Amino acid sequence: GENVEQHPSTLSVQEGDSAVIKCTYSDSASNYFPWYKQELGKRPQLIIDIRSNVGEKKDQRIAVTLNKTAKHFSLHITETQPEDSAVYFCAAFSYGNNRLAFGKGNQVVVIP
Amino acid sequence: NAGVTQTPKFRVLKTGQSMTLLCAQDMNHEYMYWYRQDPGMGLRLIHYSVGEGTTAKGEVPDGYNVSRLKKQNFLLGLESAAPSQTSVYFCASSQQGALTGELFFGEGSRLTVL
Repeated sequence: GENVEQHPSTLSVQEGDSAVIKCTYSDSASNYFPWYKQELGKRPQLIIDIRSNVGEKKDQRIAVTLNKTAKHFSLHITETQPEDSAVYFCAAFSYGNNRLAFGKGNQVVVIP
Repeated sequence: NAGVTQTPKFRVLKTGQSMTLLCAQDMNHEYMYWYRQDPGMGLRLIHYSVGEGTTAKGEVPDGYNVSRLKKQNFLLGLESAAPSQTSVYFCASSQQGALTGELFFGEGSRLTVL
């Protein structure tokens, strides 16, 4: 089945700086890659996603890039704000198991 | 429109006791899922359903059972709770399958097994 890994596990950034989280996946047939944000004590919520026919997608301060050859995709957050502090989960849809495989999460801390 | 609602939100059980977590969604979604979240482990799929009357095993189904008798409800049962089942449980639903649709999560249910 699909194996999704996220790096780094914890990331601290100064407010206003950029944050980048990278995920790698194992199944070359995977073609859907969402990112979910989970604030402390809250439910995960979809913030952006990308499909394999697109190399980059942007939504205001967040963007996701996909490198199918290297089997990795990254979340980019620019001009970070305190409300960006959260755990971010990447995921990949695995055709083999017909389900989303989530990474273990990245803790992002934005320092005011 | 409440979205996805889970009950109860907190529960403490003794080893061997049984309980049921209820998930209800009012978005008329076909697909429903139960995940567990443990520190450092991310979200792991327990069971899921692709429609009323259907259920399927996920990544970590052992020790759990589910039922989808009504489209809007997805029940997760623990027949004989074990300390290893101490976790936060999230229900989710989607209009389409996980490949094409956003997952809408409930607020979570924190279960402690002593």
